[in-house]
Amino acid sequence: AQSVTQPDIHITVSEGASLELRCNYSYGATPYLFWYVQSPGQGLQLLLKYFSGDTLVQGIKGFEAEFKRSQSSFNLRKPSVHWSDAAEYFCAVGVSSNTGKLIFGQGTTLQVKP
Amino acid sequence: GAVVSQHPSRVICKSGTSVKIECRSLDFQATTMFWYRQFPKQSLMLMATSNEGSKATYEQGVEKDKFLINHASLTLSTLTVTSAHPEDSSFYICSARLQGSDTQYFGPGTRLTVL
Repeated sequence: AQSVTQPDIHITVSEGASLELRCNYSYGATPYLFWYVQSPGQGLQLLLKYFSGDTLVQGIKGFEAEFKRSQSSFNLRKPSVHWSDAAEYFCAVGVSSNTGKLIFGQGTTLQVKP
Repeated sequence: GAVVSQHPSRVICKSGTSVKIECRSLDFQATTMFWYRQFPKQSLMLMATSNEGSKATYEQGVEKDKFLINHASLTLSTLTVTSAHPEDSSFYICSARLQGSDTQYFGPGTRLTVL
């Protein structure tokens, strides 16, 4: 069965430090992979997505993610975190391009220390 | 672009009453809308997929008679929680898929509290 695992429930980093949020997926075929961010009172915002092609994907707000098929991973990175990046981050896998269904990971809460 | 709204943003109701939540795609047409439920500090769980002009497809374990979904137009889907009970209290989120796209755009969510 398809699944998404985000091993880190909560991460704290200092402002200006680099960030990596982990995501592992289980899916038989080539997955569609997404990272979303959820801020309090706001809807999920798409940070970036991977469908095919270049395995290093650039997104908004300075985020990037790398698809590694051998490790079944799609980790999110940012070289320098800003206080405004504090939020909940969700990794998701699209299980069907026809239906558009997504399976979400448990989420990682990012706290940024000044 | 690609803005999705939900109304209301929060609602409190008495046990046994029904509550309707609206999901609108404001600047695009969405042939498919999705309804999720999110418990505190947990992930989004897909409840159902709503296609314009046809019956919704419910995920396993979701009661279709309790969570009525209507997708009457390309910009509006509604979720009605019938005979709500305290265990239905949750954060309900909708999303809309841009026609011809693989990307979902999410609404801000509706906080339902059943007393």
